[in-house]
Amino acid sequence: GAVVSQHPSWVICKSGTSVKIECRSLDFQATTMFWYRQFPKQSLMLMATSNEGSKATYEQGVEKDKFLINHASLTLSTLTVTSAHPEDSSFYICSAREGISNQPQHFGDGTRLSIL
Amino acid sequence: AQSVTQPDIHITVSEGASLELRCNYSYGATPYLFWYVQSPGQGLQLLLKYFSGDTLVQGIKGFEAEFKRSQSSFNLRKPSVHWSDAAEYFCAVGLRTGYSSASKIIFGSGTRLSIRP
Repeated sequence: GAVVSQHPSWVICKSGTSVKIECRSLDFQATTMFWYRQFPKQSLMLMATSNEGSKATYEQGVEKDKFLINHASLTLSTLTVTSAHPEDSSFYICSAREGISNQPQHFGDGTRLSIL
Repeated sequence: AQSVTQPDIHITVSEGASLELRCNYSYGATPYLFWYVQSPGQGLQLLLKYFSGDTLVQGIKGFEAEFKRSQSSFNLRKPSVHWSDAAEYFCAVGLRTGYSSASKIIFGSGTRLSIRP
């Protein structure tokens, strides 16, 4: 149980394009979803927290207009990297948590984004 | 400020040997504590968690961790490692926003575990 599916797993695109990454909770309802960014050989850095039906809460230093997050349902959140540039290349990981209790976060397998 | 420290960047142990990965945290209250494992190019899998109660926590794959409040530590242990345990291990602290709730998680920098045949 508690499976989180992230799609696509790998994307390569030209500079200036926008890229959408999907995060789905397959067998539970995710009240809260999180988006992380991970640089090579480094830890996960939280970008934003989203609650279903509400605006996402962004961490300090994360551009909300650059990284658009939508959490329209209890099973789906999307991250759109707008006008992507090479410096946006990274490994993006989503996680989902059921309810607001002390449940742990369940992670997707990540999306490797490469901007040419 | 809340923080998680994993002092060992890379550890190599022989297959069959015991393992201990260190984790120290800084947090003003009793934290929620987690250990996650990440294989290359993949997401994170929860190994175990501590919320309250028994300070020795059992997890999956034969791992256990002990919460020591006096030392602000939550070290991960395994009595006998297998080659398949080679991965990146992250300690994390969940920040409480209210009773029995955890808001966001702060991750340590990770420890890469290599297994010597």
